Amino acid sequence: AQSVTQPDIHITVSEGASLELRCNYSYGATPYLFWYVQSPGQGLQLLLKYFSGDTLVQGIKGFEAEFKRSQSSFNLRKPSVHWSDAAEYFCAVGAQKLVFGQGTRLTINP
Amino acid sequence: EPEVTQTPSHQVTQMGQEVILRCVPISNHLYFYWYRQILGQKVEFLVSFYNNEISEKSEIFDDQFSVERPDGSNFTLKIRSTKLEDSAMYFCASSEIPGAEQFFGPGTRLTVL
Repeated sequence: AQSVTQPDIHITVSEGASLELRCNYSYGATPYLFWYVQSPGQGLQLLLKYFSGDTLVQGIKGFEAEFKRSQSSFNLRKPSVHWSDAAEYFCAVGAQKLVFGQGTRLTINP
Repeated sequence: EPEVTQTPSHQVTQMGQEVILRCVPISNHLYFYWYRQILGQKVEFLVSFYNNEISEKSEIFDDQFSVERPDGSNFTLKIRSTKLEDSAMYFCASSEIPGAEQFFGPGTRLTVL
């Protein structure tokens, strides 16, 4: 069965610090992988996606993610966070039906 | 930039009542989806819809739920007899093809009293 695990429920980083949000997945075939961000009271906005090819994908707002098949991981990274990055981040896998992780809440300290 | 819209943004209803949540997907998209997010929990897939029929549904999507594309623009989710546990944020999404990026609407918060 498809599943996504985001081990960190809540992460706090200082503004300007680097960020890595972890995502591990279980999927029977070559996965389609996504990272979405949800600000309070808002919908889900796609940050980036991986379908095939280069395993390091670039997204919006300075985010990137690396697909590692051997580790079944698709971790999200940003070299320097901004206060506006505070939000909930969801990793998802699937094609027609997306399976989401539990989400990681990111808090930014000034 | 085209976007998915949903109405209403917040719906309050009494247990046992019927509700219809409305979505307008992006105009050239062919695949439509409903997801829900109970407060504090993960986003869960409910149903996908293509060519005027359900293509996949989850265990959550029981006989109380139905979807419809009544015209060329709207996509609706109906809950026939709401239960307290149906209280959640309901998201509509659309995509050009399966596996492509799904664009999500802002959600409808359903509160069942």
